[in-house]
Amino acid sequence: DIQMTQSPSSLSASVGDRVTITCRASEDISIYLAWFQQKPGKAPKSLIFAASSLHTEVPSKFSGSGSGTDFTLTITSLQPEDFATYYCQQYNSFPFTFGQGTRLEI
Amino acid sequence: QVHLVQSGGEVKKPGASVMVSCKASGYTFTNFGVSWVRQAPGQGLEWMGWIATYNGDTHYAQDFQGRVTLTTDTSTNTVYMELRSLRSDDTAVYYCARGQEAFNWGQGTLVTVSS
Repeated sequence: DIQMTQSPSSLSASVGDRVTITCRASEDISIYLAWFQQKPGKAPKSLIFAASSLHTEVPSKFSGSGSGTDFTLTITSLQPEDFATYYCQQYNSFPFTFGQGTRLEI
Repeated sequence: QVHLVQSGGEVKKPGASVMVSCKASGYTFTNFGVSWVRQAPGQGLEWMGWIATYNGDTHYAQDFQGRVTLTTDTSTNTVYMELRSLRSDDTAVYYCARGQEAFNWGQGTLVTVSS
């Protein structure tokens, strides 16, 4: 199985900051990577697919990059509603696998 | 507008089975497969399996092999997840999601396993 390793596990930031979350795959997954945002008690929400394509209605403050084994999610101009947990997931090959999550907190 | 609506919460005893449904609307059902993901209390997301809705092909995570079955009913645009031989550590919120990219998610179904 492909292992997905996110870093950091948690991140403290302030309103207005720019943050970057990293996701590393244990083998080449091309661009078959998605990013999700999850708030407490809610279902995850799709942010980015195919490593860098923004999902419908997701603001452009979110951006993704990378290919192969190394990927990043960048969030600019943090607002209170952006504080949540973020997950990456590879869908290059079965079984699909998630990173362990990055908790973004104030 | 895409919607995935899941069945309601369940309480089961250890050893029992549970079936959770996921009814899709707002898109051509057979154009996208459906993934199932679960989340234990306070934990991360765990991918369980995927079903191709156009032909019923399935792929399962090794941890659930032999205990989970995904099925699809194209007449009602519904996907079902059955988990058998439930244990207390199967207590979790179970989600369905559209497509391998998980573009859209159901609201989640809490399954509680307790004696």
